[in-house]
Amino acid sequence: EAGVTQFPSHSVIEKGQTVTLRCDPISGHDNLYWYRRVMGKEIKFLLHFVKESKQDESGMPNNRFLAERTGGTYSTLKVQPAELEDSGVYFCASSLEDRGYTDTQYFGPGTRLTVL
Amino acid sequence: GQQLNQSPQSMFIQEGEDVSMNCTSSSIFNTWLWYKQDPGEGPVLLIALYKAGELTSNGRLTAQFGITRKDSFLNISASIPSDVGIYFCAGLVHGGSQGNLIFGKGTKLSVKP
Repeated sequence: EAGVTQFPSHSVIEKGQTVTLRCDPISGHDNLYWYRRVMGKEIKFLLHFVKESKQDESGMPNNRFLAERTGGTYSTLKVQPAELEDSGVYFCASSLEDRGYTDTQYFGPGTRLTVL
Repeated sequence: GQQLNQSPQSMFIQEGEDVSMNCTSSSIFNTWLWYKQDPGEGPVLLIALYKAGELTSNGRLTAQFGITRKDSFLNISASIPSDVGIYFCAGLVHGGSQGNLIFGKGTKLSVKP
C-alpha cells in the first residue's frame, strides 16, 4: 500500500511569489494534517482536515496560507505571497480514524520550501 | 503555547553503546509518541504510549510515559549504525485538540568519528 506522498519534494521561489504544495494521503484515510518545521525549530502543527472539512486550523500562521481538500482526497497548501520566514519543510500526515489518542499519524517525506 | 523540551539536542554514538534521550513539559500529556526521521524522509512512528507509567519496548527501543504525565524517555540499547537519524518526541496535550501533535526539537544521533 502506498504511503503518504507529497509534491514537490523541493521548491525554491522568490519572495512574493506563490507556491502550492500537494499531499496525497494514504487511501481511505479521512484525517489529513499539515505540519511545518522551520530550520532549528520543532515540527509545528498547521491544520487538520476530516474528509473535506477543516477540523482545526489553529496552527495556520496567517492568511497568506490557504489549505484545501476538495472531495476529501488530496490536499493542497498554497502560500501567497511567500515571505522569507515561510522557508522550511512542510509535512503532511494522514490517519485512518479520528480516535484521538489511539490513532497513528503517518507522515509523508515533506516538501522543502526555500524562499529567497 | 505548549512546549516540549527535548534533550540532548545531539549526540554521538559508538556501535554497541546504549543511548538515552528525554522530553519534558510543563503541560500534562495524554499521549507520548517517539518518531525517527531519516534524511529525505518523514517522521516514522517508533513507539506510542497512552498511560502514565507505561513502559513499552520495540526491539532495542524502550520508552516510558512518566508518572506525572509531563515527561517521557526513549532508550536505545546496543546501538547500531542504522540508528543514526533525528528522533522526535511528540504528544497530545490533555484537553487539547486530538489531532494537534506537539513536537520536541529533536535529538540528532550521529556516529562517533
